[in-house]
Amino acid sequence: DVKVTQSSRYLVKRTGEKVFLECVQDMDHENMFWYRQDPGLGLRLIYFSYDVKMKEKGDIPEGYSVSREKKERFSLILESASTNQTSMYLCASRQGRGLYEQYFGPGTRLTVT
Amino acid sequence: QKEVEQDPGPLSVPEGAIVSLNCTYSNSAFQYFMWYRQYSRKGPELLMYTYSSGNKEDGRFTAQVDKSSKYISLFIRDSQPSDSATYLCAMGGSARQLTFGSGTQLTVLP
Repeated sequence: DVKVTQSSRYLVKRTGEKVFLECVQDMDHENMFWYRQDPGLGLRLIYFSYDVKMKEKGDIPEGYSVSREKKERFSLILESASTNQTSMYLCASRQGRGLYEQYFGPGTRLTVT
Repeated sequence: QKEVEQDPGPLSVPEGAIVSLNCTYSNSAFQYFMWYRQYSRKGPELLMYTYSSGNKEDGRFTAQVDKSSKYISLFIRDSQPSDSATYLCAMGGSARQLTFGSGTQLTVLP
């Protein structure tokens, strides 16, 4: 079974703090994704990475950056957290090579106060 | 208009009922279609995956895709309380990214 893990289930941070969310997958998947999920808005893509050291912006990249130094690890960085970044953050991975199913981690519920 | 529309519910049915969940979409480039199930405070898990039009069955679950109508459905037969969750449709095309519906919240009452 594909396993995607995220470093924290719940996180509370203050406005202006730098926040790191970590995601690790154990199936040698090429592609990794960061989404945020908000009521009524569904899942929105923040950033994705097709390979190590590669990154591409999704639909809502503003206020976020990412890092992928190793194939199994994809980090989401909130440079200066704001209250409108309070959300559920979901990491996903996908094998790539023509296979499209994405597998999700358990999510990190981030609250910015 | 959103690319993918999904009725948010909530939908409440008695145990044993047949459940029908639906999504419509506007992008004719979508070729592959998925359904995810998300339990409360958990990440989505892949339930069904269908490429192009047609039906796919897996146990009590059946996924249907009608590309001519841009309409996809998930049917759950003999629904159980353990099926209570939010169901998300997702679809993708040549760009290889997925576009998600906003989810339908389902409760199956014992």
